[in-house]
Amino acid sequence: QKEVEQNSGPLSVPEGAIASLNCTYSDRGSQSFFWYRQYSGKSPELIMSIYSNGDKEDGRFTAQLNKASQYVSLLIRDSQPSDSATYLCAVVGNQFYFGTGTSLTVIP
Amino acid sequence: DTAVSQTPKYLVTQMGNDKSIKCEQNLGHDTMYWYKQDSKKFLKIMFSYNNKELIINETVPNRFSPKSPDKAHLNLHINSLELGDSAVYFCASSWGLAGGYEQFFGPGTRLTVL
Repeated sequence: QKEVEQNSGPLSVPEGAIASLNCTYSDRGSQSFFWYRQYSGKSPELIMSIYSNGDKEDGRFTAQLNKASQYVSLLIRDSQPSDSATYLCAVVGNQFYFGTGTSLTVIP
Repeated sequence: DTAVSQTPKYLVTQMGNDKSIKCEQNLGHDTMYWYKQDSKKFLKIMFSYNNKELIINETVPNRFSPKSPDKAHLNLHINSLELGDSAVYFCASSWGLAGGYEQFFGPGTRLTVL
């Protein structure tokens, strides 16, 4: 079993819709959780971090964490074509683990 | 100013050659990393250095050797390059080892082995 698993893509949503990206992890001791966005041919860039159970909102992005279920998600509201990218979930326990990524396409 | 820089951006070479990739960060971070990203976009950690000391050394062939002359630099030397080494290599840095610290990535080096 991989340390971090993401919902398989690719994911396509129409412009203006909500995109939902999911991630599960295996290490119950994990303490820090990050979402990175990676445009094609570019490096990953951090868009959200979350450390405690619940929701964290930043503009159109909301990260949700449920440590009991070992689950972290990212919601993108009012999706824009510029949100089209691969989204990487990262989970940190004693080491930094990345998921395999979910490719999101927002259709104009 | 570029926070994490890598050179070269592209590297095309023949099988069997030896090559190096350089990485520098000007963020004052203590920890630096090397990642390999394959064609399926999976980011796999290779090495992690904390204050010039090797902390994480994942299962990578010993043809790969990292070198950290100081905490701002982490270079990657690859001997006897193989076709399977073709990938994008990312350098990253953070304030501490794992913990709650985000990692900042360099622009990547696309290595193609012919």
